[in-house]
Amino acid sequence: GENVEQHPSTLSVQEGDSAVIKCTYSDSASNYFPWYKQELGKRPQLIIDIRSNVGEKKDQRIAVTLNKTAKHFSLHITETQPEDSAVYFCAASHTDSWGKLQFGAGTQVVVTP
Amino acid sequence: EAGVTQFPSHSVIEKGQTVTLRCDPISGHDNLYWYRRVMGKEIKFLLHFVKESKQDESGMPNNRFLAERTGGTYSTLKVQPAELEDSGVYFCASRQREEAFFGQGTRLTVV
Repeated sequence: GENVEQHPSTLSVQEGDSAVIKCTYSDSASNYFPWYKQELGKRPQLIIDIRSNVGEKKDQRIAVTLNKTAKHFSLHITETQPEDSAVYFCAASHTDSWGKLQFGAGTQVVVTP
Repeated sequence: EAGVTQFPSHSVIEKGQTVTLRCDPISGHDNLYWYRRVMGKEIKFLLHFVKESKQDESGMPNNRFLAERTGGTYSTLKVQPAELEDSGVYFCASRQREEAFFGQGTRLTVV
């Protein structure tokens, strides 16, 4: 089955700096890669996603890149702000049957003012 | 539109007792999933319903866990008898297209 590895497990950045989180996946059939943000005590929420037919997607300060050949994808947050502090999870799945999401272990991001 | 709702938000039970978790998905979402996060590790898949049918239950740890989705609406996840290692946060999610919407989770503590 699918296995998703996520690094780093914790990331501390100064406000205004960039943050990068990297994930690798094992199943070449995976074609949908969402990123979820979970703030303390709240539900995981989708912040950006990418399909395997696209190499990069951007939404304001957040961008995701996908390298299908190497089977890795990354989340980039620019101009970080204190409200970006949260746990971020990458995931992979097949969309054919809206199957399960296989998650990475999560990255605790702390943005210090 | 109401989101995914889970009850209870917290549950503390003794080893050997029974606990039932409930999930109300977003109305109209055929796909319902149960996940669990244990001790700060990854969010692990438990099972997937399509309407009232179990599509994939490969993540269920053992036969102490029983999930149901009668009528294809809300779902319950029963743990009987609970063990210490069952402690964690149990998430429910529903989706109709790409995006999976999560509930706030039930934090289960088995003592």
